[in-house]
Amino acid sequence: DAKTTQPPSMDCAEGRAANLPCNHSTISGNEYVYWYRQIHSQGPQYIIHGLKNNETNEMASLIITEDRKSSTLILPHATLRDTAVYYCIVRENSGGSNYKLTFGKGTLLTVNP
Amino acid sequence: GAGVSQSPSNKVTEKGKDVELRCDPISGHTALYWYRQSLGQGLEFLIYFQGNSAPDKSGLPSDRFSAERTGGSVSTLTIQRTQQEDSAVYLCASRARGGTSPMNTEAFFGQGTRLTVV
Repeated sequence: DAKTTQPPSMDCAEGRAANLPCNHSTISGNEYVYWYRQIHSQGPQYIIHGLKNNETNEMASLIITEDRKSSTLILPHATLRDTAVYYCIVRENSGGSNYKLTFGKGTLLTVNP
Repeated sequence: GAGVSQSPSNKVTEKGKDVELRCDPISGHTALYWYRQSLGQGLEFLIYFQGNSAPDKSGLPSDRFSAERTGGSVSTLTIQRTQQEDSAVYLCASRARGGTSPMNTEAFFGQGTRLTVV
């Protein structure tokens, strides 16, 4: 079962920043935080991942709290095409049972014009 | 190809028939996953391949479901005696490795096969 908690839905105005929260209070020291998104009728798409430091790429920024119990995915300038279900996943990267991505219900982000 | 390819993209079958779903992963990716997504639901893990072996089949819902992978590449998911509850989108994903290096942790998903059992 998923180890993360996300709000079921959020709205954002086009052009504004979208901040999607995720709680992972039971995260262990060797688990990474991953974000994927799924646009309607498509397969999930990788966005970003991080361990403890904040991360940024061309799609988004990931802010992880110092205690690592929560994180926020930031889409700096949301567009209508960012409307999707966003999944926050925690996962090890060090062998053993780390191979599986366990998806929860995610957050449906709706970007409004 | 450049991405994970799945075929067919849509399949309508009669209850009781067998179906085969195909996944062509990204060339060189050793890890391959099958997931299922029923209408309005999240992604349900089915099976994981590392190379040609399947160390985790725990998500297969019944013995009507089976999967194989040959040559460390193409994978086929077979559903025998299909039932209406098997209707879903079946998604395949591949990764460069089986999860040891953070540099190879991104999973690439195909567009899925939409299976409808009537």
